[in-house]
Order: sequence, then structure tokens, then C-alpha cells
Amino acid sequence: DVKVTQSSRYLVKRTGEKVFLECVQDMDHENMFWYRQDPGLGLRLIYFSYDVKMKEKGDIPEGYSVSREKKERFSLILESASTNQTSMYLCASSAPVVGYTEAFFGQGTRLTVV
Amino acid sequence: KNEVEQSPQNLTAQEGEFITINCSYSVGISALHWLQQHPGGGIVSLFMLSSGKKKHGRLIATINIQEKHSSLHITASHPRDSAVYICAVTGSQGNLIFGKGTKLSVKP
Repeated sequence: DVKVTQSSRYLVKRTGEKVFLECVQDMDHENMFWYRQDPGLGLRLIYFSYDVKMKEKGDIPEGYSVSREKKERFSLILESASTNQTSMYLCASSAPVVGYTEAFFGQGTRLTVV
Repeated sequence: KNEVEQSPQNLTAQEGEFITINCSYSVGISALHWLQQHPGGGIVSLFMLSSGKKKHGRLIATINIQEKHSSLHITASHPRDSAVYICAVTGSQGNLIFGKGTKLSVKP
């Protein structure tokens, strides 16, 4: 079974903390993505990466950074967590686009910032 | 205007009913995806299609490229079909552009 694994299902952090969300995939995919999902807004792209050490900003990168030191791992970093970053975070991976390609999702991390 | 529009936003059905969820998009795509998200949060890919029609069990997905429209049908719906169904398209950079989802509730 192909797998995208997120390190935590639920997290509670305090305002101002530095938060790391980890995502690991075992499919040797080049592309990895971080999304956040909020009621009424759907899924929005935060950052994505096409290869090791490469990163591209998505639609809502402010307040976030990412790290991709190894192909299988893509980390989302909240430099100084704020309450408006309380959300569901989803990681996804896919093979490079040739025609079309299926995306595989992690189980999600529900982050609460208090 | 959102690039991917879904309707309806919420849908309640009785067990056994035939269900249709619609998706319209305004961008050029290489593929369209239908995803299912259960209350736990994880997302599962149901279909990926670029033309025509696909069927998997009681689920059918169709796409009309000229009209930039896709539909997801569920035949003989069951309470376990209750979930959020999300339409997404693969954009030019390989990332997914999502609709806001349709929350389906099937009552026994």
C-alpha cells in the first residue's frame, strides 16, 4: 500500500511556539505539497516542492516555511504559531506531471493554537 | 470567482437514493480528480479522469472537457457514503486546485 504519513493526527500548541509538521512518503515521489483546510474555504496550498531542497510558495505561504532535505520528507514549519493558524493541515505527494498524475494524501494533522 | 466550483455545498439523501454532485472549472487542466474525505480527516482519491467516464462499484464519474464540467454519481446510496466529496483539477504546475467540497449525509 502506498503511504503518505503525517507525524501527528492532533496537536495543541501555544501562541508563539515554533511548530514542525512532518510528512513522509514511501512512493519515491518528486512532488510534495502542504495544504491547509478550513471550513468554507476548502483546501488551500501553502507550499510545494518538486525536488530535494526545492520549494515554491503556494497561495498562502505567509507565516510558514518548509524544508525538504530528503526526497521522502517534507516538513512544514510555523515559525511563531498564531491562533489564526489553527486548522487542518494535509500533506500530499505525486509523481512528476507527465500527462496527469494521481495525488496521495496523508491522514491530516489537526492543529490547535491556543 | 473560484477556479473550481462545486454544487451543492451540502446534500442530504435517504438511503438508496441516486446522488449527483457537480463540478465546474474555469482553467485548463490535464486531469480532474474526485476525492473523498471522511470525518477523521484523511483524503482518499476516488477517481482521476481526463475524458469520458469511469466507474468503480456504485460510483460513477463523468467529465465533459468542452463544457469544463464533471459529475460524480452515487447509485443506491448508503449511510457509509456520508463524507465530504471534493473535486480538484491538476493545474499547469502539477498542483491541485480544489473545490470547496460537498458535504453528503445519507440517512438510513
